[in-house]
Amino acid sequence: EAGVTQFPSHSVIEKGQTVTLRCDPISGHDNLYWYRRVMGKEIKFLLHFVKESKQDESGMPNNRFLAERTGGTYSTLKVQPAELEDSGVYFCASSQDLGVTYNEQFFGPGTRLTVL
Amino acid sequence: QKEVEQDPGPLSVPEGAIVSLNCTYSNSAFQYFMWYRQYSRKGPELLMYTYSSGNKEDGRFTAQVDKSSKYISLFIRDSQPSDSATYLCAMSALLYEGAQKLVFGQGTRLTINP
Repeated sequence: EAGVTQFPSHSVIEKGQTVTLRCDPISGHDNLYWYRRVMGKEIKFLLHFVKESKQDESGMPNNRFLAERTGGTYSTLKVQPAELEDSGVYFCASSQDLGVTYNEQFFGPGTRLTVL
Repeated sequence: QKEVEQDPGPLSVPEGAIVSLNCTYSNSAFQYFMWYRQYSRKGPELLMYTYSSGNKEDGRFTAQVDKSSKYISLFIRDSQPSDSATYLCAMSALLYEGAQKLVFGQGTRLTINP
């Protein structure tokens, strides 16, 4: 079974440009999460989808970030316009809904974003 | 103050040593306590999770939680060079039924020397 995949693996853009990151969760996983790790800091939660609905986006840093999950399958995270402080590794994770409180989150390899 | 504190290391030990990794936390509402392992250029991979205070063992790995002290530990026995990775503690807060927001420590970079 394929794991969580993310594309691209690495993106280098100029300040002010737009970048779109993509995440394909494990098939059948209704929960999809985005996290981010900036240099020297811990991995931080950005937002959570249940199917196509945003349930919690309390971790989104500002309105330059827009996440979507059309059809409840893959998700995109767009940064527009990108700033230097947006550089970091963006992780996507997914989990099933097994009707219990805890469901393991499976992480993708991340997209390394460098803003110059 | 960070919700989860973890010494980033780096930590370097000889093969066969017992490794102890630790985290402290401040939020009493955390429900689950996890240890993730992350190899270079890969995503975090769940090693162990636990809900209650006490010990949980899985092969060479033992996770320990002390909720009264807000302290968790991971012990690795008979450490191997293949255990060299970054180890991340994580705590979870309920977002939605069946969905948890993970709060991570900074991660400890561990190297096991042959």
